[in-house]
Amino acid sequence: GESVGLHLPTLSVQEGDNSIINCAYSNSASDYFIWYKQESGKGPQFIIDIRSNMDKRQGQRVTVLLNKTVKHLSLQIAATQPGDSAVYFCAEWVISSGSARQLTFGSGTQLTVLP
Amino acid sequence: NAGVMQNPRHLVRRRGQEARLRCSPMKGHSHVYWYRQLPEEGLKFMVYLQKENIIDESGMPKERFSAEFPKEGPSILRIQQVVRGDSAAYFCASSPSTGGGSPLHFGNGTRLTVT
Repeated sequence: GESVGLHLPTLSVQEGDNSIINCAYSNSASDYFIWYKQESGKGPQFIIDIRSNMDKRQGQRVTVLLNKTVKHLSLQIAATQPGDSAVYFCAEWVISSGSARQLTFGSGTQLTVLP
Repeated sequence: NAGVMQNPRHLVRRRGQEARLRCSPMKGHSHVYWYRQLPEEGLKFMVYLQKENIIDESGMPKERFSAEFPKEGPSILRIQQVVRGDSAAYFCASSPSTGGGSPLHFGNGTRLTVT
């Protein structure tokens, strides 16, 4: 299954299938991106990050792809499991006041894994 | 190795009362960030502090809200004269270095309900 972020904020996939969650970021100067997973009643949990000098990074069952040309980020989850059901946020570090940076979050995608 | 600790987990206040939210960062982290999350929405940056200094408060309302991170003790987010619109989940995050160098590690939040 595949989401397109703001237009499809929910994504349902069958257990065992691969999931793809998409995110469009706004700031072409952003150089560091992070994916978080948020389960109900909990805080965001770090999944994987990627810097702008890379276009792909792999973790355990997760892969992040970065396309700087179109300012697009995606999170791929292999063999999706029931425990993957959560809201997924992409986040980018952006320059705020002076030289301070803020970690700015996207709107999130609700992933539901069907049995 | 304790993570970011927030308390209380749930806080109920009547309109006009004060709310004090506490955050203890991870051991060795001297950078603290506060975020607010409304239901079904992403996290919105409020303020970034280092020990005894406010670095960036561009996301914090100018009135009724204040934050501190004293030399000793937890960071405090204080909301005076709460209104119903302040009802939200407030998350604290910490990092060992200045923004953009590493991921933020989040606590499980304080859920504020204003009646």
